[in-house]
Amino acid sequence: EAGVAQSPRYKIIEKRQSVAFWCNPISGHATLYWYQQILGQGPKLLIQFQNNGVVDDSQLPKDRFSAERLKGVDSTLKIQPAKLEDSAVYLCATRGWENTIYFGEGSWLTVV
Amino acid sequence: AQSVTQLDSHVSVSEGTPVLLRCNYSSSYSPSLFWYVQHPNKGLQLLLKYTSAATLVKGINGFEAEFKKSETSFHLTKPSAHMSDAAEYFCVVSDPGGYQKVTFGTGTKLQVIP
Repeated sequence: EAGVAQSPRYKIIEKRQSVAFWCNPISGHATLYWYQQILGQGPKLLIQFQNNGVVDDSQLPKDRFSAERLKGVDSTLKIQPAKLEDSAVYLCATRGWENTIYFGEGSWLTVV
Repeated sequence: AQSVTQLDSHVSVSEGTPVLLRCNYSSSYSPSLFWYVQHPNKGLQLLLKYTSAATLVKGINGFEAEFKKSETSFHLTKPSAHMSDAAEYFCVVSDPGGYQKVTFGTGTKLQVIP
């Protein structure tokens, strides 16, 4: 089966600019997660969707981050305006058979 | 509530010697447990998973892990380390019910000395 697709893979922006990341999950996977992984740390959950509904967004900095999952398939994560501390890898993951979590390759963001 | 504790932030072994990466968890449900590996500047790759079947789980690249409910542990082992095993390893717990929350450990960086 095709994996979780993410784009863009790499992005460099200046602080206060905006950026959007896109995730295309594995077909049929209802649960979708966005994680932020800062260099040298483990992934931190930003938001979890069940179909197109938000299950957990308690750690999403809502003043600058937003995410949506229209029609319960693709998802986008937006940052506006970006700060230097947002430099990280943004990982999209979906839950499949036997509760296995499948990760995309990640979108690497550098804010300068 | 669920949590994962990786007991060592760094582990260093010589090539050809055994690897042991320790993980303890807590969960309100009967959890699914996973080990993922992340090589530098790469994504997360699934090594192995426990989902309530056999307690001794074999994964890719010669890794295996044993689920011990009485000790709430899921330690990762490999009989003989290879240079290519040098990477960061994450223990992950996932609740199958409820909100299906997924929690990561803080990671263990494995160094393999030639």
